[in-house]
Amino acid sequence: GQQVMQIPQYQHVQEGEDFTTYCNSSTTLSNIQWYKQRPGGHPVFLIQLVKSGEVKKQKRLTFQFGEAKKNSSLHITATQTTDVGTYFCAGPYSSYKLIFGSGTRLLVRP
Amino acid sequence: DVKVTQSSRYLVKRTGEKVFLECVQDMDHENMFWYRQDPGLGLRLIYFSYDVKMKEKGDIPEGYSVSREKKERFSLILESASTNQTSMYLCASRFGTGRNSPLHFGNGTRLTVT
Repeated sequence: GQQVMQIPQYQHVQEGEDFTTYCNSSTTLSNIQWYKQRPGGHPVFLIQLVKSGEVKKQKRLTFQFGEAKKNSSLHITATQTTDVGTYFCAGPYSSYKLIFGSGTRLLVRP
Repeated sequence: DVKVTQSSRYLVKRTGEKVFLECVQDMDHENMFWYRQDPGLGLRLIYFSYDVKMKEKGDIPEGYSVSREKKERFSLILESASTNQTSMYLCASRFGTGRNSPLHFGNGTRLTVT
């Protein structure tokens, strides 16, 4: 079945350093979504990418969708303590299902 | 803003009990989902419903059933709770049949089965 792999599992950075998480699908995706879950909270939708090679930015966050639409990345420039949380990618398969990656937990040292 | 409300934040149940987890959304969303979240495993889909009285199994449906009698409410039922069902349960909803619709999650129910 379809799988969505996400690496790394954890990343511990000094505040101000950059951070990247990578997402790889076993099959081509029609779109990919990214979510953020703060500690003790629930996943919150960040963004969706649809087009091959698409790049979208939200302030210090840059999202990319690969040319083959099988991989994606989220890059955070100059991390802040407010960026702490777990970042999930998710891709659709079959009619209504959304498969989530295992997530990357970001810890930021002040 | 979309509101997805899960009835309990924390639950402690005994092995063998029948457990009901309730989820209500206020945005007239057609699709509703139940996921469980475990460390290192991400979010795994248990069941989803694309409309009233319609349901489909997700990736890990064993030991669970669901009910969707009204559009706004989606219930997850653990027929006979077991310790390996100790987990965080997340309900989510979204609009229509579009694969592009984002999910809106509830705050989660942390279930402990002893």
